Parts: sequence; C-alpha cells; structure tokens
Amino acid sequence: QVQLQESGPGLLKPSETLSLTCTVSGASLSSGRHFWSWVRQSPEKGLEWIGYSYYTGNSDYNPSLKSRVTISVDTSKNQFSLKLTSVTAADTAVYYCARGEERVVQGEYWGQGILVTVSS
Amino acid sequence: DIVMTQTPLSSPVTLGQPASISCRSSQSLVRSDGNTYLSWLQQRPGQPPRLLIYKISNRFSGVPDRFSGSGAGTDFTLRISRVEAEDVGVYYCTQGTLFPYTFGQGTRLEIK
Repeated sequence: QVQLQESGPGLLKPSETLSLTCTVSGASLSSGRHFWSWVRQSPEKGLEWIGYSYYTGNSDYNPSLKSRVTISVDTSKNQFSLKLTSVTAADTAVYYCARGEERVVQGEYWGQGILVTVSS
Repeated sequence: DIVMTQTPLSSPVTLGQPASISCRSSQSLVRSDGNTYLSWLQQRPGQPPRLLIYKISNRFSGVPDRFSGSGAGTDFTLRISRVEAEDVGVYYCTQGTLFPYTFGQGTRLEIK
C-alpha cells in the first residue's frame, strides 16, 4: 500500500524559503505514470493545488505560485520535495503531498499533512 | 480559474438516511479527450483528504458502495445512500480538467 509522509520545518519567518520533503513507501517514484503533487489547505483559501512533478521529471505549477515554487523528485531516496521562496503569512497552511494518476492528478493517495506557520 | 461551488455548505443528516451534495463548476469539465475529471474527496476530522470518487462516478479502491457520484458538464452530485457515523466530515469536489486544478469550498456533513 502506498504511503506518503511529509517532513520539514514547521515555523518560518517572512521572506524565508519553505522546504518540505515527502517520503514515499510502497511505491517507486521511478516507475509508473504517476503525478507527485503538493496541495495546501488553509482556513482562508481552503484546498489549493500547488503543482506536480510527473514521473518523467516534468513539472507544472499553479500560476498563482509559479514564480516561487519548485517541485523536484529524488528517485534514489524515493522522495520528492517542495520549495516555496519568499514566504509570507499568507503561506501559512497545512501542506499535503499526494500521488495521483491521470484520472485524478490532484491525488489518489495523500500524506498526513504538515502544518507550516509563517510568523515573525 | 474554474470555480467550484458546492451546496449546501452544511448538511445535518439522520443516521441511516440518505444525503446528497451538489457541486457546480463555472465551466464545462468535459476535456478534449472526452473524459470529465471531476472527483470527490472526504476529509474526516483531523485527517487528510481521502479520494472517494473519480471521473464523476467511479468509486476508488476500498470506498463503500453507499457512496455514488453522478452528473455531467457543469453539474455533479455525490450521494450517500445510508449515512453512517464514520461519514461525518467535510466533502470536497475537485476538477482536474482545466489548469489550474481547483477545489470546492467543502460541505460539512454532520449527524442530527
């Protein structure tokens, strides 16, 4: 069974870079036509799709975040990561990693989520 | 961006009774390949979202058959035939047809 687990700092200051890692077990990032996605959830904006990295290594991002986001895959560690630069309080949210397929790119299997707070 | 609007925002239901949630998109969700990428997620209290239904009416692995989805174009419905206590939570529709992918605001299902 596919399992995903987010990890990273839970508290950042404004202007810092958010860096999260998703460790995948029960599946290989280098096999299959899968989308490795990040989604965040806040009381203000609800669920917001951030972007994905496809198994080929191609990535795509929500235009609202595109200038600040990078999603990358490390097949040697079976992990994928999210980097979001120049964070503000508006980036405070629970961040989820997920694995999707063509039928549901946003995610069929989701991690437990990690709360990231941006505060000075 | 496609706006997904759910109704109602809150739905009190008696155990064993049916429940229904509607989702309307601001544009047709039929993609050029002929498929409609409309999914439903369930989020129980303190838990991450869980996929229930994909492409309008297909139940994901392990999802009980009391959950069903229907609809076409811009109007979609999630139905629970007989609500159980474990169904309490927030339900979201989400579209994967047009970029960027978007979610509804959520419908809270609670027991009367």
